[in-house]
Amino acid sequence: SYELTQPPSVSVSPGQTASITCSGDKLGYKYAFWYQQKPGQSPVVVIYQDTKRPSGVPERFSGSNSGNTATLTISGTLAMDEADYYCQAWDSTTSVVFGGGTKLTVL
Amino acid sequence: EVQLVQSGAELKKPGESLRISCTGSGYKITSYWISWVRQMPGKGLEWMGRIDPRNSYTDYNPSFQGHVTISVDESITTVDLQWSSLKASDSAMYYCARLSNDQPSYFDYWGQGTLVTVSS
Repeated sequence: SYELTQPPSVSVSPGQTASITCSGDKLGYKYAFWYQQKPGQSPVVVIYQDTKRPSGVPERFSGSNSGNTATLTISGTLAMDEADYYCQAWDSTTSVVFGGGTKLTVL
Repeated sequence: EVQLVQSGAELKKPGESLRISCTGSGYKITSYWISWVRQMPGKGLEWMGRIDPRNSYTDYNPSFQGHVTISVDESITTVDLQWSSLKASDSAMYYCARLSNDQPSYFDYWGQGTLVTVSS
């Protein structure tokens, strides 16, 4: 079965750029999606189809996907961006896969 | 406004059956697939399966197939997740999520979650 691998944790200073990676075999040939989950809350999509931002998601969130790695980038990171981030892809046309999640700490 | 509202927290014993629900509003229910996602305590998201409310067609994650059933009720406004015999390891938060109509689709709306605790 298809697997997506994320680093367990990433730390960033306020105002700096955070990059969270998601690795999978030939992931660049698929679309990647990113979800933010804050403690006690349901996940929320922040990037879909590699690079698209849903309405309401700040411009500081961006995404890319090439080769075996998709990357979520948060520019000018704010304290409110501290959360768990999950990447997601479709293993096939009928099966969804999530990465293990990355805890973003803003300190 | 699109909303997915899930049923309340459950405390059950091992071996008992359980059905939890997800009710959609603010959109045409039959136009969007609904998925269930498990999150065990302190762990990540796991996709369990999905259902097309138009015809009740389902796809399951092989890891969950045979242990849970995803269904749509006759009103076609509620999607259920059910177990016939719970295990302690089923203790988790369960989310329903709507799949967008994009290709490929993504989870554009999520329910608030239903906490299931299985303990003797």
